[in-house]
Amino acid sequence: EIVMTQSPATLSVSPGERATLSCRASQSVSNNLAWYQQKPGQAPRLLIDGASTRATGFPARFSGSGSGTEFTLTISSLQSEDFAVYYCQQYNNWPLTFGGGTKVEIK
Amino acid sequence: EVQLLESGGGLVQPGGSLRLSCAASGFAFTSYAMNWVRQAPGKGLEWVSAISGSGGTTSYADSGKGRFTISRDNSKNTLYLQMNSLRAEDTAVYYCAKLADSRRYLGSAFGIWGQGTMVTVSS
Repeated sequence: EIVMTQSPATLSVSPGERATLSCRASQSVSNNLAWYQQKPGQAPRLLIDGASTRATGFPARFSGSGSGTEFTLTISSLQSEDFAVYYCQQYNNWPLTFGGGTKVEIK
Repeated sequence: EVQLLESGGGLVQPGGSLRLSCAASGFAFTSYAMNWVRQAPGKGLEWVSAISGSGGTTSYADSGKGRFTISRDNSKNTLYLQMNSLRAEDTAVYYCAKLADSRRYLGSAFGIWGQGTMVTVSS
């Protein structure tokens, strides 16, 4: 099983600041990596596909990068609606696995 | 509009059974592999099971292997998860999710999620 490790677990950021979230895979997943955003009481929503392709409806301040085992989600200037939990997920191998999540909270 | 609507959750005793349903609309259901993902209260996401568009191929996480059965009725645009021998650790919100890419069984993110149905296993 591929273990996905996200860091940090919690990120405290002021509105307007930059947030950098990390995701590491225990073995290569190529670029078969997705990021999801989840707000309280809601289902997750696909944010980034293929490690770097932004999903429909998300603004350009969200960007993804990386391949192999190291991935990064960057939010260039945090807005109030961006405070949420972010999960990475690999879909390269069975079983599909998620990271533990990074909670982005208001500083 | 693409929609997934889960139902069938509830309170069940340890050792009991439950069948979840996911009604799909707004897309060519038979063209897409479908998955179940769960989230225990206050915890992260855990993939549970997948089924191909035809229903001929299925995959399971170890946590549900031998106890859970995924199936689909393409004539009704509905996905199912039969859960037997339920344990306290199966308590979670269960989401159905559609792959983003219709050509894939493995190798695609979850493009659309339902709102989830809560399963509580407790005596």
